[in-house]
Amino acid sequence: DAGITQSPRHKVTETGTPVTLRCHQTENHRYMYWYRQDPGHGLRLIHYSYGVKDTDKGEVSDGYSVSRSKTEDFLLTLESATSSQTSVYFCAISPTSGSSYNEQFFGPGTRLTVL
Amino acid sequence: KQEVTQIPAALSVPEGENLVLNCSFTDSAIYNLQWFRQDPGKGLTSLLLIQSSQREQTSGRLNASLDKSSGRSTLYIAASQPGDSATYLCAVYTNAGKSTFGDGTTLTVKP
Repeated sequence: DAGITQSPRHKVTETGTPVTLRCHQTENHRYMYWYRQDPGHGLRLIHYSYGVKDTDKGEVSDGYSVSRSKTEDFLLTLESATSSQTSVYFCAISPTSGSSYNEQFFGPGTRLTVL
Repeated sequence: KQEVTQIPAALSVPEGENLVLNCSFTDSAIYNLQWFRQDPGKGLTSLLLIQSSQREQTSGRLNASLDKSSGRSTLYIAASQPGDSATYLCAVYTNAGKSTFGDGTTLTVKP
């Protein structure tokens, strides 16, 4: 398995509170991604990063911000959590060279519940 | 906007049967296409990646094909086993960082 960990794995929080999810990789891959997975909507890209301090928006970025200060860590922040952000969040990484060029590898996911 | 469709949404087959899963996409200008499997409550496991210049990839009992001009990919599973039961997703990448996933096909292989 690719070396990707996500923390926390489960979190319950209240509406209006800030939440930060962490993705950590040991593969030194350049690209990192945050997705959410919801029944009826599949997997949707929130934000991605193509290098340290280099990030861009995905399909469903409203209400989320990201930061990447080190190659190995990509943080997703819900600035003020809402019930519509209850979801399973996945981090993914991909290399930009070698035989697995552009292949995405996923972390185990974080289940977030906003009450 | 890229749209990815996977039909059927669910499939049930007896053990040992060969089967084909389908993935269709609307924009043929893709970089590559990737097939995943997802077990309930788990993350996605990469099965095969097909670069835009390739037409197929094989790994064990799995074979994935890509026809960009028609906007189609198929995942062929030979001699299915109960352990193959999972949801299979395809994803297309239209440029660096941009991905679109299908909703998946849930496969059940009955012993």
